Amino acid sequence: GQQVMQIPQYQHVQEGEDFTTYCNSSTTLSNIQWYKQRPGGHPVFLIQLVKSGEVKKQKRLTFQFGEAKKNSSLHITATQTTDVGTYFCAGTDTGANSKLTFGKGITLSVRP
Amino acid sequence: KAGVTQTPRYLIKTRGQQVTLSCSPISGHRSVSWYQQTPGQGLQFLFEYFSETQRNKGNFPGRFSGRQFSNSRSEMNVSTLELGDSALYLCASRRPARGLPREGYTFGSGTRLTVV
Repeated sequence: GQQVMQIPQYQHVQEGEDFTTYCNSSTTLSNIQWYKQRPGGHPVFLIQLVKSGEVKKQKRLTFQFGEAKKNSSLHITATQTTDVGTYFCAGTDTGANSKLTFGKGITLSVRP
Repeated sequence: KAGVTQTPRYLIKTRGQQVTLSCSPISGHRSVSWYQQTPGQGLQFLFEYFSETQRNKGNFPGRFSGRQFSNSRSEMNVSTLELGDSALYLCASRRPARGLPREGYTFGSGTRLTVV
């Protein structure tokens, strides 16, 4: 079945550093979504990418969908302590199945 | 507008018991999905309902079941609880859309189930 992988599971950065994480799928995706979960909270939708090579920005966050629609990246410029949390990518397989499969997430900690 | 409401927030059950969790989606959202979240396995898909019909099902044993009512509210049931069922159970809803999701899911705060 479809697998969405995020490696590593944890990353620690110094405040002000840039941060990039990647998401890889075993199958071609019709779209990919990114969510953020703060400690003790629930996942909150950040963005959806649909087109091959698509790039979207939200303030300091930049999201990209790979040309082959099998991978995605999240880049955070000049991290802040408010960026702390777990970032999940989630993909929908091509085909009629609308199931959203989540990666295991990457937990980001930021040293002030 | 009100978000996705899950009840109860916390639950402690004994092995062998059964449990029912409830989810009220955002008004107008007819698709409801359930996920199990554990530290080791992340978010694992349980099932998705749309218009009272189960549209997708994850790889969980038959002890896990769900249903959706005509007002889009959903329940999930776990019978014969095992220690490994301890997890955060999250419900998520989105606007009606047959086929591929066009927007993100809105998650509830979850039900924290502890099996002792």
